Amino acid sequence: GENVEQHPSTLSVQEGDSAVIKCTYSDSASNYFPWYKQELGKRPQLIIDIRSNVGEKKDQRIAVTLNKTAKHFSLHITETQPEDSAVYFCAASTGWVQGAQKLVFGQGTRLTINP
Amino acid sequence: GAVVSQHPSWVICKSGTSVKIECRSLDFQATTMFWYRQFPKQSLMLMATSNEGSKATYEQGVEKDKFLINHASLTLSTLTVTSAHPEDSSFYICSARVSPREPQHFGDGTRLSIL
Repeated sequence: GENVEQHPSTLSVQEGDSAVIKCTYSDSASNYFPWYKQELGKRPQLIIDIRSNVGEKKDQRIAVTLNKTAKHFSLHITETQPEDSAVYFCAASTGWVQGAQKLVFGQGTRLTINP
Repeated sequence: GAVVSQHPSWVICKSGTSVKIECRSLDFQATTMFWYRQFPKQSLMLMATSNEGSKATYEQGVEKDKFLINHASLTLSTLTVTSAHPEDSSFYICSARVSPREPQHFGDGTRLSIL
């Protein structure tokens, strides 16, 4: 089955600098890769996603890149702000199993933005 | 749009009791709902996939007789933890989506504490 590895587990950057989180996946049939932001004790919130027919997607300060050949994708946050501090999870869809596609999540990255 | 409501948000109960958690999609019809379990500082682990009107599909290692899932309508799924014990204490989160090509939207989660 699908396996998703996420690095680093913790990341600390100065406010205004960029942050990059990387994930690799194992199932070449995976075709959908969302990123979620989770603040302490709250729900994971979708911040950006990308499908396998696209190599890069950008939404203001957030961008995601996908390398299908190497089976890795990355989250880029530019001009970081204190409110970006949270845990970020990457995920990859599985192929169709018993009529459903599921998400497999990475281990999470705790991002801290230092003022 | 795409709001998922989960209730209750916090439950404390005695060992041996059963606890029901509700997950509702408020402004869309969810053909599929998912139930996750999250331990402190860890990732989201899928417990089961629930399609409206059919039996839930459980992940390997999840006891279907202990974690009863009902998805009776396109807007409501319930998870019942039967005969709960302290090791069942965790953060349980549901998610819902309209179709396989749409993202999963998460509820606020339920923090379950078994004494």
